[in-house]
Amino acid sequence: DTAVSQTPKYLVTQMGNDKSIKCEQNLGHDTMYWYKQDSKKFLKIMFSYNNKELIINETVPNRFSPKSPDKAHLNLHINSLELGDSAVYFCASSQAAGGNEQFFGPGTRLTVL
Amino acid sequence: QKEVEQDPGPLSVPEGAIVSLNCTYSNSAFQYFMWYRQYSRKGPELLMYTYSSGNKEDGRFTAQVDKSSKYISLFIRDSQPSDSATYLCAMRRNTDKLIFGTGTRLQVFP
Repeated sequence: DTAVSQTPKYLVTQMGNDKSIKCEQNLGHDTMYWYKQDSKKFLKIMFSYNNKELIINETVPNRFSPKSPDKAHLNLHINSLELGDSAVYFCASSQAAGGNEQFFGPGTRLTVL
Repeated sequence: QKEVEQDPGPLSVPEGAIVSLNCTYSNSAFQYFMWYRQYSRKGPELLMYTYSSGNKEDGRFTAQVDKSSKYISLFIRDSQPSDSATYLCAMRRNTDKLIFGTGTRLQVFP
């Protein structure tokens, strides 16, 4: 029974396209996150939602728009994809904001051609 | 300069060796220190966390924090091939976001 799931696992697309990644957690956590991990394994937070409310919004191009329809779901929509967007995107959740133990999903490997 | 620095490795050791992984940081306001382990093509998972300075032990793993030197370490005793992974340190202030190091890739060969 997967705690944090993401779809799709792999995404290959052309520059300029729009794509979405979905995330769901069944842990009953209040807080969810989106992270980007580049080719050097550097993991950086992009957004965080607590009870459907945006609480962290890092310096991310506004082509990236998160949406949290409810506490258990956090989606990421990316407009006008660029080559530099190629990375692995991880969704995570924690019991509360700023939690030390964050549970990560399996990641979505995005390749922009 | 990144807030958290970590040697990317790879670090290659024989089975049974003691492994030392380290991170340095620049922000003295960090209070919570974590180590995450990430297997290839998987998401990171929390190994250990400590609050402020001191040591914490969990089985073969020991985490140490030296706030005066802004230096944290993770020791793995009796390393096993199954410990082969990337180890990411992470830290934060209060309820702030986690700041991750770049990770150290560890390979334990039989």
